[in-house]
Amino acid sequence: EMVMTQSPATLSVSPGERATLSCRASQSVSSNLAWYQQKPGQAPRLLIYGASTRATGIPARFSGSGSGTEFTLTISSLQSEDFAVYYCQQYNNWLGTFGQGTKVEIK
Amino acid sequence: QVQLVESGGGVVQPGRSLRLSCAASGFTFSSYGMRWVRQAPGKGLEWVAFISYDASIKYYADSVKGRFTISRDNSKNTLYLRMNSLRPEDTALYYCARDTRDAYSDYWGQGTLVTVSS
Repeated sequence: EMVMTQSPATLSVSPGERATLSCRASQSVSSNLAWYQQKPGQAPRLLIYGASTRATGIPARFSGSGSGTEFTLTISSLQSEDFAVYYCQQYNNWLGTFGQGTKVEIK
Repeated sequence: QVQLVESGGGVVQPGRSLRLSCAASGFTFSSYGMRWVRQAPGKGLEWVAFISYDASIKYYADSVKGRFTISRDNSKNTLYLRMNSLRPEDTALYYCARDTRDAYSDYWGQGTLVTVSS
């Protein structure tokens, strides 16, 4: 069974600072990894796919990296609208397992 | 523009059934795989079921296997989720999502709330 583990559970960051979120897969998913952003009361929004490709309309301050089992989402300079919960999802198989999420909150 | 609109949620007693629908527009529905994802109150995202563009392939999470059935009507541009033997732990906001060919979801609906309670 594929397990996706995100860390930390909560990240406190000041506006303008850099945020680094981690996602680890229990087995290799190659580059089949997506990141989603979810704000309160809203549906998830696709940010990154293929581990590092930004989805349409996603600002350049969002970047993804990694392959195999270790992945990172970096937000280079946090804006007020970036405070949200972020989920990683593997799609190496069709099951699409999600991580438990990282909440990015204002410090 | 791509739109996904879920409906059919509500309050239901344990052991009863419910059918969710997801009306799709703004794209060629019959060309895309689709999935249901749920989110229990205050919790994270949980993938529930996937169906290929032609309904030839279906996958289910272990937590719903044997109780839930995903289906689609490409002539009506509609995705369904039939939920039987509902349990309190099925209480969640249920989202439908469009899958790309690679199986990540690029568009999501706003969700429909299912509450299982006596």
